Amino acid sequence: AQSVTQLDSHVSVSEGTPVLLRCNYSSSYSPSLFWYVQHPNKGLQLLLKYTSAATLVKGINGFEAEFKKSETSFHLTKPSAHMSDAAEYFCVVSDSGAGSYQLTFGKGTKLSVIP
Amino acid sequence: EAQVTQNPRYLITVTGKKLTVTCSQNMNHEYMSWYRQDPGLGLRQIYYSMNVEVTDKGDVPEGYKVSRKEKRNFPLILESPSPNQTSLYFCASSSRRTGAWAEAFFGQGTRLTVV
Repeated sequence: AQSVTQLDSHVSVSEGTPVLLRCNYSSSYSPSLFWYVQHPNKGLQLLLKYTSAATLVKGINGFEAEFKKSETSFHLTKPSAHMSDAAEYFCVVSDSGAGSYQLTFGKGTKLSVIP
Repeated sequence: EAQVTQNPRYLITVTGKKLTVTCSQNMNHEYMSWYRQDPGLGLRQIYYSMNVEVTDKGDVPEGYKVSRKEKRNFPLILESPSPNQTSLYFCASSSRRTGAWAEAFFGQGTRLTVV
């Protein structure tokens, strides 16, 4: 079985300061991990993905995430927040070795950016 | 353009009146799935399909039906909708490449209200 825990339901940062959104996962097999972003009244857009290549993954809009197997974490970071980053972010895990395929979503972290 | 298309985008219906939400993808993906999104709960999987004529229950299948007669289409059927099925629904598709599942592509969402 797989699961995802996003450690903060809401994060608030000032524009220009770093962003850290935390995600821990559990997985029985070799996981694929994703971060998606959802802007208000919009669908889900892929930010970045980890699929057993480099542990530091770079995504769109200056976001990156580091896969740490020993800590079962996949935290999302950005050096400097922009107003347009205000959105809800979802950490997602899938088991690539299980024979079936199921995406499991975290409950989401709402990011607010203060001018 | 690669995309997942859901229809309708918005729907208000009455309790007990059967409805179908359509989902179509043009990427020849094997895998398709349905999710519902509720505040504070993230996205929860309703049903998924690994390929044509192969479907399986997700985490919250009660009250829903699906079919996969063609690779590109995966409709969601509510035989007798109830108010607790008021939610935002997303369809997604994905494909397995090089031993790992690639990221899921999402439709724009269907906001369903059952009164």
